[in-house]
Amino acid sequence: NAGVTQTPKFQVLKTGQSMTLQCAQDMNHNSMYWYRQDPGMGLRLIYYSASEGTTDKGEVPNGYNVSRLNKREFSLRLESAAPSQTSVYFCASSEAYGYEAFFGQGTRLTVV
Amino acid sequence: KQEVTQIPAALSVPEGENLVLNCSFTDSAIYNLQWFRQDPGKGLTSLLLIQSSQREQTSGRLNASLDKSSGRSTLYIAASQPGDSATYLCAVPNSGYALNFGKGTSLLVTP
Repeated sequence: NAGVTQTPKFQVLKTGQSMTLQCAQDMNHNSMYWYRQDPGMGLRLIYYSASEGTTDKGEVPNGYNVSRLNKREFSLRLESAAPSQTSVYFCASSEAYGYEAFFGQGTRLTVV
Repeated sequence: KQEVTQIPAALSVPEGENLVLNCSFTDSAIYNLQWFRQDPGKGLTSLLLIQSSQREQTSGRLNASLDKSSGRSTLYIAASQPGDSATYLCAVPNSGYALNFGKGTSLLVTP
């Protein structure tokens, strides 16, 4: 059972570089989310997609963009990476808002 | 704003003990509460989701309770094992579509 799959698992970027984090779920969920996890800050929502074709900002959207490519896939793009974006990024999905959420294994991103 | 607090931040117990992890939240108007487990360097694994209308939810050796009026949830782990060592997080949905997470309780079960 794949669940939520994220790629890559690890990435090192130089300041100013761009990259896209990929996420796919195979549970036919409507809602997908991107969180970041930082020591002492816990998990914070970056962007979410309530359903295919919609995306909205979460708590910490600055410096990021997202695309809900189809029902299965939700990508997160860093256009010009900054050291402050060094974090662990998690993709999650749920059937809808308020339903049980399932998380991927995370992408550990370091920006130098 | 919904604040979620988990106490203690860290806990060490010998194998076989029954233990309780605590989660408190400031706004009792929650939709549900979810408990997760996170192993070092790994993602979050959903353990239990307890609906606002429920008092308890059980899965194997895990039992989660919810008292909305007092803003508390507990996760009870029976007969703890070294394999239970991990960080346990609780989370509640907020009005902005996010899950509000506690900072977690880091559990170490020693053989």
